[in-house]
Amino acid sequence: DTGVSQDPRHKITKRGQNVTFRCDPISEHNRLYWYRQTLGQGPEFLTYFQNEAQLEKSRLLSDRFSAERPKGSFSTLEIQRTEQGDSAMYLCASSSQRTSGNDEQYFGPGTRLTVT
Amino acid sequence: AQKITQTQPGMFVQEKEAVTLDCTYDTSDQSYGLFWYKQPSSGEMIFLIYQGSYDEQNATEGRYSLNFQKARKSANLVISASQLGDSAMYFCAMREQGQAGTALIFGKGTTLSVSS
Repeated sequence: DTGVSQDPRHKITKRGQNVTFRCDPISEHNRLYWYRQTLGQGPEFLTYFQNEAQLEKSRLLSDRFSAERPKGSFSTLEIQRTEQGDSAMYLCASSSQRTSGNDEQYFGPGTRLTVT
Repeated sequence: AQKITQTQPGMFVQEKEAVTLDCTYDTSDQSYGLFWYKQPSSGEMIFLIYQGSYDEQNATEGRYSLNFQKARKSANLVISASQLGDSAMYFCAMREQGQAGTALIFGKGTTLSVSS
């Protein structure tokens, strides 16, 4: 039973470049979440998918951020025209109320983004 | 608006002693869920324990227990018999209601340091 995986684990990019992160959830989980965590803070919710439908995206930080989950399995988070303020840890989590009534979320190891 | 407050930036405990990490929450919902996560220096968020608002008994999971006081809106985590491996950041979180599905709102966390 593999957990949530994220790729890459670290990304260094120059300001203005586009970056894309991938998340593979636990296979039987139908819900997938993206969070951002800055230093000294708790994770901050960005967006949420149930199967392939993106049910909440108003918390994405700006229109430079977008996410997809085309076949209801893996998901990608893209940041266009990166800014130094985008430097953070990007966490993906998955859950399923079918397998756990509490619907607890299981997190991946995160992608640490550094924008220079 | 829903909010999680963790007032202890850092806690120090000796090995084999018990420690309580404080968490208070604010919500107008009658039905809600509370979670605790552990984040070691490696960065991955590890689910520890869950408490539902209608659960009459405090949740327990091994050495972890949740001291749930609904009237005071507190959900403190108690770790018994601390171990060196318990040194980490601990986050209290609440399941958000509404369009965000089951997204979590996190507190700022408490750093726990266990010494021998």
